[in-house]
Amino acid sequence: QKEVEQNSGPLSVPEGAIASLNCTYSDRGSQSFFWYRQYSGKSPELIMSIYSNGDKEDGRFTAQLNKASQYVSLLIRDSQPSDSATYLCAVNGKSNYQLIWGAGTKLIIKP
Amino acid sequence: DTGVSQNPRHKITKRGQNVTFRCDPISEHNRLYWYRQTLGQGPEFLTYFQNEAQLEKSRLLSDRFSAERPKGSFSTLEIQRTEQGDSAMYLCASSLIRTSGYNEQFFGPGTRLTVL
Repeated sequence: QKEVEQNSGPLSVPEGAIASLNCTYSDRGSQSFFWYRQYSGKSPELIMSIYSNGDKEDGRFTAQLNKASQYVSLLIRDSQPSDSATYLCAVNGKSNYQLIWGAGTKLIIKP
Repeated sequence: DTGVSQNPRHKITKRGQNVTFRCDPISEHNRLYWYRQTLGQGPEFLTYFQNEAQLEKSRLLSDRFSAERPKGSFSTLEIQRTEQGDSAMYLCASSLIRTSGYNEQFFGPGTRLTVL
């Protein structure tokens, strides 16, 4: 079992709809959770971090964390074609310096 | 603040040659990380520094790879005797140690290495 798992996609969502991205992790001791967006050929860009159970909203983005079920999700409201990218989930490892990464979910927003 | 910078952005080399990459972190950040990423995968941890001290190095990292961070500022990553399997995007990230322990890492644009 991989430590951080994401559906590779592609996930296709119509423009204006809500895109829902999911991530599960295996280490119950994990404390920090991050979503990065990566455009093709570019480096990852941090878009959300979450540390406590529940929801965290930032503009059109909402991160949701459920430590009991060991999953973290990212919702993108009013999806735009510019949101088309690969979304990477990262979870802190045994040491707080090391992030364990999922392989990413490719999101396609169709106009 | 211009963020994390990396040079060169692209490097093409022949197998067996040595290459060196540079990373300049965000100025107030005291942690610096090197990752490698191949197509369809998440970043793979290589090593990290806290100030000038290299505190962790991936066990998967060949001894052909070496990194330095003199004076706790910029960092260099050198690959000796490159192999075709070294072709990848090499990413540098930096972060600021917080009392909370939370560790948001910010990435540079990456250096894409192609080994012929």
